Amino acid sequence: GAVVSQHPSRVICKSGTSVKIECRSLDFQATTMFWYRQFPKKSLMLMATSNEGSKATYEQGVEKDKFLINHASLTLSTLTVTSAHPEDSSFYICSAIGDRSTYEQYFGPGTRLTVT
Amino acid sequence: GENVEQHPSTLSVQEGDSAVIKCTYSDSASNYFPWYKQELGKGPQLIIDIRSNVGEKKDQRIAVTLNKTAKHFSLHITETQPEDSAVYFCGGTSYDKVIFGPGTSLSVIP
Repeated sequence: GAVVSQHPSRVICKSGTSVKIECRSLDFQATTMFWYRQFPKKSLMLMATSNEGSKATYEQGVEKDKFLINHASLTLSTLTVTSAHPEDSSFYICSAIGDRSTYEQYFGPGTRLTVT
Repeated sequence: GENVEQHPSTLSVQEGDSAVIKCTYSDSASNYFPWYKQELGKGPQLIIDIRSNVGEKKDQRIAVTLNKTAKHFSLHITETQPEDSAVYFCGGTSYDKVIFGPGTSLSVIP
């Protein structure tokens, strides 16, 4: 149980284009999903928290117009990197929680984004 | 807000030996402390967690201890195996979010 998938696993895009990453909870309903960014050999940096049916809450320093998050259903959240630049290249990971009071997060396998 | 520190940043042990990773946290209201294992190129995997009303929890070769007074908790892996090699992250809670430590890269030498 508690499986989270991400698609795509890898994506290469040209500078200036937009890329959408999907995060799905496969066997539970996720009331909350989190989006993280991870640089090589670094920890997980929380970008935003998304709750189903409401606007995402972004962490300080994260541009909400650049990283668009949509949590349209209890099993799907999407992250769109708009007008991507090479500095947006990173490993993006989502996580999902079924019951927020438990804090138990289950992570997706991550998406490697490379912007050329 | 919560600040989580983790030591050591890298750890090498011989296969069969024990490994211990320690974390400290700053927020006394923090009440949930997970440990995640991340293999190269993959997402973190929850391996064990402990809540503030418990002092110790064990699952086969993995155990976690919590000292709320001192605000630190530790991961103990016994009889280490090469497949235990990975990066391990501890976490503390701040409001309704988990804050992660900087990670420990564990290498188990066959």
